[in-house]
Amino acid sequence: GDSVTQMEGPVTLSEEAFLTINCTYTATGYPSLFWYVQYPGEGLQLLLKATKADDKGSNKGFEATYRKETTSFHLEKGSVQVSDSAVYFCALYNNAGNMLTFGGGTRLMVKP
Amino acid sequence: DVKVTQSSRYLVKRTGEKVFLECVQDMDHENMFWYRQDPGLGLRLIYFSYDVKMKEKGDIPEGYSVSREKKERFSLILESASTNQTSMYLCASSALPQSYEQYFGPGTRLTVT
Repeated sequence: GDSVTQMEGPVTLSEEAFLTINCTYTATGYPSLFWYVQYPGEGLQLLLKATKADDKGSNKGFEATYRKETTSFHLEKGSVQVSDSAVYFCALYNNAGNMLTFGGGTRLMVKP
Repeated sequence: DVKVTQSSRYLVKRTGEKVFLECVQDMDHENMFWYRQDPGLGLRLIYFSYDVKMKEKGDIPEGYSVSREKKERFSLILESASTNQTSMYLCASSALPQSYEQYFGPGTRLTVT
């Protein structure tokens, strides 16, 4: 079946540091890929998405590129802020199953 | 602004009790979902519903049931709560056909003692 693997956290960075959170996947066919973010005390929100190979999703300074050759969708941000502290989930959607499959989540802590 | 609400943020129940978790969405979405969130395991799908009175099992349905009598409301039922059901429960909804864009409620943290 489909699966998503994320780097384990927590990831602790200083403000303005560069962020990378790794995500790799296993799926049949051509899934769509997503990053969701969960701020403290809140539900998940869709952060960005990419629906086909080589697409780049971007939002709020975050970016991720759908790399089919490496089955990866790493999340990056050039300069993190304290307000980016949250849990980030990588996910894939496969038309065959009509369901989202989530990774384990990575907690990001940004210190001033 | 889209909204998914859950009946409780925190809930403490005893082993063997019947537990109801309620979820309401105001977006007229067809699909609704119940997940549980556990550290290191991410979100795992318990049940989902694509229409009123319809339900489908997700990855971990054992020990749970659901009810969808109205389009906007999706209830998760723990028939006889057990300590291994202590978890964060998240409800979500989405519009057909792009059910990947799901809107989540704030979650209910359930503790079973």
